[in-house]
Amino acid sequence: ETGVTQSPTHLIKTRGQQVTLRCSSQSGHNTVSWYQQALGQGPQFIFQYYREEENGRGNFPPRFSGLQFPNYSSELNVNALELDDSALYLCASSLVGADEQFFGPGTRLTVL
Amino acid sequence: GENVEQHPSTLSVQEGDSAVIKCTYSDSASNYFPWYKQELGKGPQLIIDIRSNVGEKKDQRIAVTLNKTAKHFSLHITETQPEDSAVYFCAARENRDDKIIFGKGTRLHILP
Repeated sequence: ETGVTQSPTHLIKTRGQQVTLRCSSQSGHNTVSWYQQALGQGPQFIFQYYREEENGRGNFPPRFSGLQFPNYSSELNVNALELDDSALYLCASSLVGADEQFFGPGTRLTVL
Repeated sequence: GENVEQHPSTLSVQEGDSAVIKCTYSDSASNYFPWYKQELGKGPQLIIDIRSNVGEKKDQRIAVTLNKTAKHFSLHITETQPEDSAVYFCAARENRDDKIIFGKGTRLHILP
């Protein structure tokens, strides 16, 4: 059974640029959630995707957007990057209706 | 919305002693309470969880208790070992939209 994978591992961007982060869910999982984890903080929920549609959103502006593909993999897109977007971005997969979410290793984004 | 408070932020215990981490939540409708362990450079790993219809759950050296009336839940680790050193997060899931809200984390140090 393959776990949750994310790419890239690290990324450096400058303010105003756009970034795309990728996530492959655990085998058989059809729901993907994205979280932002600032240094020294707990993960904060960005949004969740199920059946290729957004299925819940946290307090993040519209410049944070996502996609889910038919194979359940997912992308997180962030436009007009700001310095405060520097964080670890985590993807978690789950089965719809199940409680447990399983996290990937994350993508460390640095905005200069 | 849900708010999760976690204490202490840092905890140091002698190897072999017990560690206790406490959390409170605000939304009485929350029904699922997972605990995650995060090691340096890795994503959070689910270590134990409890649902609102259960008061206590144990898995080897780890146990979780839930007091729904007081809206408290706690993680207990017995016979601590060096590999228990990590950051631990409690979380609560909002019943209405499956969003998981995390506490700010407890850094656990196991002293030799």
